[in-house]
Amino acid sequence: AQRVTQPEKLLSVFKGAPVELKCNYSYSGSPELFWYVQYSRQRLQLLLRHISRESIKGFTADLNKGETSFHLKKPFAQEEDSAMYYCALLQGGSEKLVFGKGMKLTVNP
Amino acid sequence: DTGVSQNPRHKITKRGQNVTFRCDPISEHNRLYWYRQTLGQGPEFLTYFQNEAQLEKSRLLSDRFSAERPKGSFSTLEIQRTEQGDSAMYLCASSFPGTSSLYNEQFFGPGTRLTVL
Repeated sequence: AQRVTQPEKLLSVFKGAPVELKCNYSYSGSPELFWYVQYSRQRLQLLLRHISRESIKGFTADLNKGETSFHLKKPFAQEEDSAMYYCALLQGGSEKLVFGKGMKLTVNP
Repeated sequence: DTGVSQNPRHKITKRGQNVTFRCDPISEHNRLYWYRQTLGQGPEFLTYFQNEAQLEKSRLLSDRFSAERPKGSFSTLEIQRTEQGDSAMYLCASSFPGTSSLYNEQFFGPGTRLTVL
């Protein structure tokens, strides 16, 4: 069965430090992977998708099919990056998004 | 606000009562999704509509749950004979089909928080 695992629930860093939010997945087909973000008192929103290969707000994520991972990285965290981050997988031929449990990132001044 | 809207934002009910939630998608979005999120978990897919047709249903959607989208615009999610385990945030999302088969971004609403006493 398809599954998305975010092994850490909390990450706290200081401003300017690098961050890496881990995501591993289990899926037999070719996955589409995403990172969603939810800032305090805001809606869940798409941050980036692997197929776009783009950097959003300084974040990047590389799909590693060998390690079945899609870790989110940013070299220099900012206070405004503090939020809940969810990794998600889209099943082939489906509109069903499968989310991980989420990880809370806190960037301290 | 032209985003996805959900009403009510909060609902407190007693066990055994029926509740109904409404979702208004972004105008022209023909796809509509319902998710449920419990404390400490990510959103879990419940069901999906394309226009008025319900195309996918999760096994999480028990017989007590029913979703409709009668005119292909707004949708309602009804829970009958609520149980304490139904307490959760119910999220709605919508998307526009676009011109390719690639994933079309789902835009989420603020959610309806249900508390079953």
